[in-house]
This record gives sequence, structure tokens and C-alpha cells, in this order.
Amino acid sequence: EPEVTQTPSHQVTQMGQEVILRCVPISNHLYFYWYRQILGQKVEFLVSFYNNEISEKSEIFDDQFSVERPDGSNFTLKIRSTKLEDSAMYFCASKWTVDSGNTIYFGEGSWLTVV
Amino acid sequence: GNSVTQMEGPVTLSEEAFLTINCTYTATGYPSLFWYVQYPGEGLQLLLKATKADDKGSNKGFEATYRKETTSFHLEKGSVQVSDSAVYFCALTGGGNKLTFGTGTQLKVEL
Repeated sequence: EPEVTQTPSHQVTQMGQEVILRCVPISNHLYFYWYRQILGQKVEFLVSFYNNEISEKSEIFDDQFSVERPDGSNFTLKIRSTKLEDSAMYFCASKWTVDSGNTIYFGEGSWLTVV
Repeated sequence: GNSVTQMEGPVTLSEEAFLTINCTYTATGYPSLFWYVQYPGEGLQLLLKATKADDKGSNKGFEATYRKETTSFHLEKGSVQVSDSAVYFCALTGGGNKLTFGTGTQLKVEL
């Protein structure tokens, strides 16, 4: 079964450093997402991406964050200058169509620890 | 805006017990409703979904019915197993493409 894959599975970084989290969405999907889950808290939407541009973003997704689809398969989340409060599990997700009933498929997550 | 409210956990049950995890929502229009499950150390997996009122989603013995009149989508299973121990998230999409999640309910099933 096709799946969303994410790398790395775990990264430890020092505060102020840049981090890039990588994702390979399911190949024929058109909508891409990043979510995050701070330990013990709810899963929060960060950003959605369609047709090579951001379609929606949350208040969390400030100027420190950016996303890119550098080629036909990868989708990346960059955090420019990490803060302690960026420590979380980051989930990449994708879906096929704009239909709100269409399933969004998630990767296994990248656990980011900022020290 | 959209929101999802789930019952607080953790929920601890004995194997073969009946499970209900309550979920209510607030949304404009006609949202689609989902239950996702997160097993220990893993990502989010779709468990079931329902896209219109009175639809029943079901999978692996779990089921939930989309109740528009009560804005609810409660998750039920008649007989839980130890392998069902996980965190369960109720979620919706409506008026946009993103999922809005509830806080999650941890389920622990004991022998």
C-alpha cells in the first residue's frame, strides 16, 4: 500500500539552528500538509500546499517556517532558527483531491528535539 | 471556526469490554468526520470516516455514526482487545482542506 515517508525519524538540534524535515508524499497525491504534535497535546495544523504554493497556513506557521517542493517527489519543512518550543513530532500528510471527504494520509512523523 | 471535543482520557478497560469514546464537533456547513488512531511509537492511521449525516463508518470492529442533530461522532467497539491500546483522535474537515483534531483519548486495554 502506498505510504507517506518521512526523514529523519528523530533529530536533535541546538537552539538557533536550521532544520529541514523531509517527506515523500504518496505519488499521485496533489495536496500536502505539515502538522505537529507537541508531546501530550493535540495534533495541530501548520500548513497546506497545493499547485506549488501554500494554500492555507495557521498562526503557528510564522516567518521561521517555510515549505518547499523542490522536485516532483519531495516536500520539505524548514525551520529557520529553532526554538525550544519547536520541540514536537512533525507529521507530513497528503491527499488526492480537494474533496473534504477524501482521506488524508499521514507519515510516521519526525521527532524534533531542540536543546 | 471548526472545533472537536473528545472525552478526556486515559480510558482503561478490561479485554472484551465495550468501548465508547465520545466526540462532538462544531463546524460550519457539512463536515466530513474521521477517527484516527496512533499506536505507540507510530504515526496517525485512519481508522474510519463518514462524509454525510447518518453515515456509519466502520473498520476492525470499530464503528461511529455521523449524527448531525447532536453534532456527534462517537466511537464504539463491542469487545476491545489488548492490541487496541492506542490514542484515538476524532477529527473533521469542513470548509477547507485541513483536518481539525480533538485532543485525543488514550485507551489502555488490560487482560
